[in-house]
Amino acid sequence: EVQLVESGGGLVKPGGSLRLSCAASGFTFRTYNMNWVRQAPGKGLEWVSSITSSSSYIYYSDSVKGRFTISRDNAKKSLYLQMNSLRVEDTAVYYCVREGGYDLSDALDIWGQGTMVTVSP
Amino acid sequence: DIQMTQSPSSLSASVGDRVTISCRAGQSIARFLNWYQQKPGKGPKLLIYDASSLQSGVPSRFSGSGSGTDFTLTINSLRPEDFATYFCQQSYGTPPWTFGQGTRVDIK
Repeated sequence: EVQLVESGGGLVKPGGSLRLSCAASGFTFRTYNMNWVRQAPGKGLEWVSSITSSSSYIYYSDSVKGRFTISRDNAKKSLYLQMNSLRVEDTAVYYCVREGGYDLSDALDIWGQGTMVTVSP
Repeated sequence: DIQMTQSPSSLSASVGDRVTISCRAGQSIARFLNWYQQKPGKGPKLLIYDASSLQSGVPSRFSGSGSGTDFTLTINSLRPEDFATYFCQQSYGTPPWTFGQGTRVDIK
């Protein structure tokens, strides 16, 4: 079964750090671009960051650039998001998401269950 | 960034109804438009990619159309399990990917 499982969420104070992990299974992880997408409570979806299959290209939203770092370990079939200088407005469920590739016009075809990050004083 | 605007933001419908949701891009995105369904407490599920291609396993009552800047998601003969929130998303070129604000479909 194709699956993405996030971990590492929790409660942190403003200015703090957190590292999210995503474990992939059921597909050839090293051949897919991966993303983090977040959703604040009661709000819509916000793309956060993308990394290509071999880590050659990395992209960030303006809202997290300079504070968050995406990375991956293809040998461990894992995706990571290091979040520093966290702000109250970073509070959200963070989803690990696979890009479906050329055949799916890069649609986001596999989503994890999400991990909650709460930034509060 | 490419802005995506969905309408309406919410709608009420009955089982068996036909529902249409619109999505407009701030610039031409060819057919790089995708639709997702999200139910409470769950991650989104891909329904339609490339504007009109049905993702594997998605019922045929879902369909998409459009190109350029204007797109539509249609649900024919609404079923109880279709009450959810729907998002459009553009995947044109390289990131940033952007989403519409969502359309909540609830029971009339």
